[in-house]
Amino acid sequence: DVKVTQSSRYLVKRTGEKVFLECVQDMDHENMFWYRQDPGLGLRLIYFSYDVKMKEKGDIPEGYSVSREKKERFSLILESASTNQTSMYLCASRGTYSLEAQYFGPGTRLLVL
Amino acid sequence: AQTVTQSQPEMSVQEAETVTLSCTYDTSESDYYLFWYKQPPSRQMILVIRQEAYKQQNATENRFSVNFQKAAKSFSLKISDSQLGDAAMYFCAYIIGNQFYFGTGTSLTVIP
Repeated sequence: DVKVTQSSRYLVKRTGEKVFLECVQDMDHENMFWYRQDPGLGLRLIYFSYDVKMKEKGDIPEGYSVSREKKERFSLILESASTNQTSMYLCASRGTYSLEAQYFGPGTRLLVL
Repeated sequence: AQTVTQSQPEMSVQEAETVTLSCTYDTSESDYYLFWYKQPPSRQMILVIRQEAYKQQNATENRFSVNFQKAAKSFSLKISDSQLGDAAMYFCAYIIGNQFYFGTGTSLTVIP
């Protein structure tokens, strides 16, 4: 079974802090993704990576950056957290087969005060 | 623009009954893949069922089946013999290339 883990289930940070969210997958997947999930808005793609050190902006990259130094690990960085970044953050990974689904982590619920 | 519409924010079904969740999408691409995901309360999002757009036959996974109408760009999910464990948020999605596009979700309540 594919396992995608995220470093924290719940996180509380203060405005202006730098926040690191980490995601690790154990299936040697090339592709990894960070989403933000908000009620009524579904999942919105922040960034994705198709290889080590490669990244692509998604629909809402502003205020975020990512890092992928190793294949199994994909980090989301909030450079200076703001209250409007309070949300659920989901990481996912996926192989290269066309019909392959994304496999999701448990999510990190971030509260920025 | 690629969009996915789930017009039913909330639905409910009696245990053991059948429910259909609707999904429509908009794309000009001809080669894509469709998915339904389930997110139980406070739990991980998991795949329910998937469909290749070039296949006319509707996918089925046990009590879950889809009604795929390519011309109408419709991809509804039917859950038969609903169980309490089916209560969750359901997301419809499609993928083009390496990018997934998700709907806003339908919250399903199962009434005992």
